[in-house]
Amino acid sequence: DGGITQSPKYLFRKEGQNVTLSCEQNLNHDAMYWYRQDPGQGLRLIYYSQIVNDFQKGDIAEGYSVSREKKESFPLTVTSAQKNPTAFYLCASSIVGHNEQFFGPGTRLTVL
Amino acid sequence: SQQGEEDPQALSIQEGENATMNCSYKTSINNLQWYRQNSGRGLVHLILIRSNEREKHSGRLRVTLDTSKKSSSLLITASRAADTASYFCATVGSGNTGKLIFGQGTTLQVKP
Repeated sequence: DGGITQSPKYLFRKEGQNVTLSCEQNLNHDAMYWYRQDPGQGLRLIYYSQIVNDFQKGDIAEGYSVSREKKESFPLTVTSAQKNPTAFYLCASSIVGHNEQFFGPGTRLTVL
Repeated sequence: SQQGEEDPQALSIQEGENATMNCSYKTSINNLQWYRQNSGRGLVHLILIRSNEREKHSGRLRVTLDTSKKSSSLLITASRAADTASYFCATVGSGNTGKLIFGQGTTLQVKP
């Protein structure tokens, strides 16, 4: 099946720890995105990448880092510098120049 | 930053009734999209309307766009209990970044 997957579905982090959220797609899309969603809110863009080995900050990049070593993969690291990381994280992908985005099922991160 | 606002924030109707959600945005756009999110899940693309279009249909969905008022509406006709979800509008600005800016969403409950 073609699609976009995220793992894990639920993630618990202790204060001061870095954690990495996985995002993989087999849609052959060049562009990938990470969003954060807080309860009752819309999505806010953290980072995006339009090509391998290149990525740009979104609106709320502080405390997060990404890499794009492969077309299929765009992992997000939530660092200890992110003061309020508890949220629902969504990864998406798209064809560059086509605006419809395809979303993964999300990872819910909770800081203990 | 979030582009605009959606109205109402929550909507509760009976099965068979029509549901109308509105979205306002602030800057000029290339297109506007509507997405659906079931509770705790990823987003699913519903429909895209370009800035030079005024109305678009897809099944029971009807979207209008008024660029002079910077607003859009999503109408779901003959609603079903399965339509219960949150609905988000998202805009794409000029340039080719593919960045989506989301509204805060309307939570729709359709009672059987």
